[in-house]
Amino acid sequence: QLQLQESGPGLVKPSETLSLTCTVSGDSITNSAYFWGWIRQPPGKGLEWIGIIHYNGRTYYSPSLKSRVTISLDTSNNQFSLNLNSMTAADTAVYYCARRASGKIWFDPWGQGTLVTVSS
Amino acid sequence: QSVLTQPPSVSAAPGQKVTISCSGSTSNIGSYYVAWYQQFPGTAPKLVMYETDKRPSGIPDRFSGSKSGTSATLGITGLQTGDEADYYCGTWDSSLSAGVFGGGTKLTVL
Repeated sequence: QLQLQESGPGLVKPSETLSLTCTVSGDSITNSAYFWGWIRQPPGKGLEWIGIIHYNGRTYYSPSLKSRVTISLDTSNNQFSLNLNSMTAADTAVYYCARRASGKIWFDPWGQGTLVTVSS
Repeated sequence: QSVLTQPPSVSAAPGQKVTISCSGSTSNIGSYYVAWYQQFPGTAPKLVMYETDKRPSGIPDRFSGSKSGTSATLGITGLQTGDEADYYCGTWDSSLSAGVFGGGTKLTVL
């Protein structure tokens, strides 16, 4: 059974860089049939698409975050990561990782999410 | 401001039918399939419709999906209190080369 689990700091200071990891079990991130992605949700607000990465290195990022975001793969640990720099209070959100089939538009399944708060 | 537009809330009585709309443009809904996600408070979104009108395993046939032009609709018949949740539409946008979501609709089963 495929499972994804986010991990990382729950608190980040303004201007610092957020680093989150998604650990995948039940599938390999080298599976060419899938992309691996990040989505976030500010408290009380809607979902925001952040970006996706494929094993072949292809990435797609939200234009609004593209200048600050990097998604990468760690094949040795079957993990993928999100780095978001220059964090501000507006980046406070629950961050989800999820799997997306190549050539498809939906995410399934999703991790449980991890809350990241930006505060000094 | 979300790329896809959904009504903030809809409501209906148990047993009744409700529809949730998702409006976009030719660069997103007009060109791609639509997915729908159900989210209960404090939990991760769950896929309830993919490729516009296909239900994942385990989703009852009370849920249906459709699309016309640049708008998509999620329908739920035989409403149950357990359907009360937030629902989000999502797709791809070719002008952004990125995925997009609607702002979400809170379904209340009165």
